Amino acid sequence: DAGVIQSPRHEVTEMGQEVTLRCKPISGHDYLFWYRQTMMRGLELLIYFNNNVPIDDSGMPEDRFSAKMPNASFSTLKIQPSEPRDSAVYFCASSPFRLRLAGVEDTQYFGPGTRLTVL
Amino acid sequence: SQELEQSPQSLIVQEGKNLTINCTSSKTLYGLYWYKQKYGEGLIFLMMLQKGGEEKSHEKITAKLDEKKQQSSLHITASQPSHAGIYLCGAVFFGNEKLTFGTGTRLTIIP
Repeated sequence: DAGVIQSPRHEVTEMGQEVTLRCKPISGHDYLFWYRQTMMRGLELLIYFNNNVPIDDSGMPEDRFSAKMPNASFSTLKIQPSEPRDSAVYFCASSPFRLRLAGVEDTQYFGPGTRLTVL
Repeated sequence: SQELEQSPQSLIVQEGKNLTINCTSSKTLYGLYWYKQKYGEGLIFLMMLQKGGEEKSHEKITAKLDEKKQQSSLHITASQPSHAGIYLCGAVFFGNEKLTFGTGTRLTIIP
């Protein structure tokens, strides 16, 4: 398997523009997570899905952010309108099942991230 | 996250020396994960600890979880340039299936 795939790897946009980040999880994984990483706040969970259904979106900063998972192999994170403070690295991760039930050595598998710069 | 604190925030170590990174939780955790991140890349899973007092090793990296399951340490023996990067601990707490991450420790290895 190719691992978690994210696109684009880098995105530079102007304030006010819509940004769409894409993620393809590992085949067969039931859980998908979106994280944001900044120097100030570290790695934060934004939202996660189980079997394509959003379970917890309490980490989504505000209404400008939305995430969808139309099928088991694809998810998007959209920011509309984007602001300079949204500049960060956005990671997608997937896991085969709930971590609390996971056996030893199982974990979330992270994609390479999308580096977003909003000017 | 205030629930999970890492220390030190950054570490500069001469090649060949040993080092330790700590991860402290404000409450008992269900599982503790260690990840490594290189600049511009995603997180790479290193180890997971679940039982109080558990210790695991992989090559020159050893991770331990204390008996109370509130503190973990990551120890690198005879450090090498390939060990450089950001080390993050992540925890799953009881009643919660999310991973909460620590603030990270940036490790630099100098020749």
